[in-house]
Amino acid sequence: KNQVEQSPQSLIILEGKNCTLQCNYTVSPFSNLRWYKQDTGRGPVSLTIMTFSENTKSNGRYTATLDADTKQSSLHITASQLSDSASYICVVSSGGSYIPTFGRGTSLIVHP
Amino acid sequence: EAGVTQFPSHSVIEKGQTVTLRCDPISGHDNLYWYRRVMGKEIKFLLHFVKESKQDESGMPNNRFLAERTGGTYSTLKVQPAELEDSGVYFCASSRQGMDEQFFGPGTRLTVL
Repeated sequence: KNQVEQSPQSLIILEGKNCTLQCNYTVSPFSNLRWYKQDTGRGPVSLTIMTFSENTKSNGRYTATLDADTKQSSLHITASQLSDSASYICVVSSGGSYIPTFGRGTSLIVHP
Repeated sequence: EAGVTQFPSHSVIEKGQTVTLRCDPISGHDNLYWYRRVMGKEIKFLLHFVKESKQDESGMPNNRFLAERTGGTYSTLKVQPAELEDSGVYFCASSRQGMDEQFFGPGTRLTVL
């Protein structure tokens, strides 16, 4: 069964600090992995997409890593801002399928 | 370019009533998806349209759910009759091609009392 597990479930940090969110998956065969940011009351918005051959992908202060051997990914947020407060969802797609598998998300709160 | 829109944003109904959710995809996107997030759980796939045709409805919970996409433009998802376990946030997403990035709407929060 395809599964995506995320940790931590929630995280509170101070503005300006860095943080790292984790994602472990058992989706097979692997096609790609996306990190989404979901603000309260909004739909998820894609931050990064990584395929099997990619180890790192950056989007501004967001840097995603992928280890396809251990089936792990991380999302690192640098110099956090109040606007980073959101749910971050790891989504893995299987080869040939348009139906992605979602993690439950990590709820991040950035305090001033 | 306008994004995916959904209506209503919130709906509160009583058990046994009927509710219809609407999704307007991004113009030109042939692929339209419905997802649902039950409280405390992950977002799960419900069904996929390619234009007006149902490509995959394997995620639909039961026959109380009916999705349509007349003319290949907007889509509706009807729940009849609604049950308590139908409560959750229903998301719609669209993409130009089947494997492309999906763009999500803001969701409709459905509460069944």
